[in-house]
Amino acid sequence: RKEVEQDPGPFNVPEGATVAFNCTYSNSASQSFFWYRQDCRKEPKLLMSVYSSGNEDGRFTAQLNRASQYISLLIRDSKLSDSATYLCVVNRDDKIIFGKGTRLHILP
Amino acid sequence: DAGVIQSPRHEVTEMGQEVTLRCKPISGHDYLFWYRQTMMRGLELLIYFNNNVPIDDSGMPEDRFSAKMPNASFSTLKIQPSEPRDSAVYFCASQLQGGYTFGSGTRLTVV
Repeated sequence: RKEVEQDPGPFNVPEGATVAFNCTYSNSASQSFFWYRQDCRKEPKLLMSVYSSGNEDGRFTAQLNRASQYISLLIRDSKLSDSATYLCVVNRDDKIIFGKGTRLHILP
Repeated sequence: DAGVIQSPRHEVTEMGQEVTLRCKPISGHDYLFWYRQTMMRGLELLIYFNNNVPIDDSGMPEDRFSAKMPNASFSTLKIQPSEPRDSAVYFCASQLQGGYTFGSGTRLTVV
């Protein structure tokens, strides 16, 4: 089983809709969690950290469920500019493990 | 801050040649990571350094790959000899705490 798993998508979502991705991780010793965004032919960029209590940044909400070992990302009122690949990231013992990403296409 | 700087941006080389990728981390960041990204395998951690010391190189595919960090502001990833299956985008990232900052990557094509 891969340490970090994501649905590769693509998710094709109309502009203005709400979309959510999940990501599961296998190692219960994982310590911290992040969502990264990667545009085509660009480097990954940190979108947000994921805290145990859940956190929100504008239209984006991230949540962590340690019991079930998954994190989620919710995007409300999606924009065309949200089209990208979203990478789930898990930090364990100073090593950061990336999921393969979920592709999101926002449709006009 | 100029961010993490990688060079070259693109490299096309013939099979069997030596390839050297370069990275300048963000000043003050004490962790440096080398990743490789392909469509099939996603982002794979090759090696990482803490305070210029290699900590984990278990992701380095084979002896043809080597990485050095002679000082806090410079690291290299070398492939010798290169093979077509090494074609990928190679990212360097640095970290102080929290999330990483990536460089723009080097797109390597081995023909």
